[in-house]
Amino acid sequence: ILNVEQSPQSLHVQEGDSTNFTCSFPSSNFYALHWYRWETAKSPEALFVMTLNGDEKKKGRISATLNTKEGYSYLYIKGSQPEDSATYLCAFLNTGNQFYFGTGTSLTVIP
Amino acid sequence: DAMVIQNPRYQVTQFGKPVTLSCSQTLNHNVMYWYQQKSSQAPKLLFHYYDKDFNNEADTPDNFQSRRPNTSFCFLDIRSPGLGDAAMYLCATGDGTGGRITEAFFGQGTRLTVV
Repeated sequence: ILNVEQSPQSLHVQEGDSTNFTCSFPSSNFYALHWYRWETAKSPEALFVMTLNGDEKKKGRISATLNTKEGYSYLYIKGSQPEDSATYLCAFLNTGNQFYFGTGTSLTVIP
Repeated sequence: DAMVIQNPRYQVTQFGKPVTLSCSQTLNHNVMYWYQQKSSQAPKLLFHYYDKDFNNEADTPDNFQSRRPNTSFCFLDIRSPGLGDAAMYLCATGDGTGGRITEAFFGQGTRLTVV
């Protein structure tokens, strides 16, 4: 059993604001850290897969960083748009192919 | 086109009446996962298959069983559903042929209600 924690649990931002969330995870048996975006009534979709300490990934206005030594990852959204509203889940993948998810951060972008 | 399909999307079952949730995939992935998600909580891993090898999480109740008759299908059987088993059940797949999966692909989930 693993604890993967995300904060904040929910966030409301104005359109155009930049924001970031945190995912913390155990540093032992680490293989990868995944970020998923989950919109209501849809399936979670992968945003980023990061495996190396210091990894930084970017997709459009969204980026993520990884620190495996201290066990945290940040997800950043620059210039939030209403279509960014979703729940953002991080998942810790260990060396046994087990995925453990955090509780998610629910983002609402207010037009 | 949906690649991981869960049926049904919504399931209502009676307290104590066995129920089966279904997951199928067209991705030919060798790893399949079942998660339970209750309101405002993290999706909780129940078990996963690596090929035919079944891996049960230590805290998964005995009431939850799974079958994987072939690569494409995986079933979650709840032998005697209680009110506390009402939740969203998510199925996911991954390609683990290289030893480690690189991404999980999810179905849309089955919302289980127990009455």
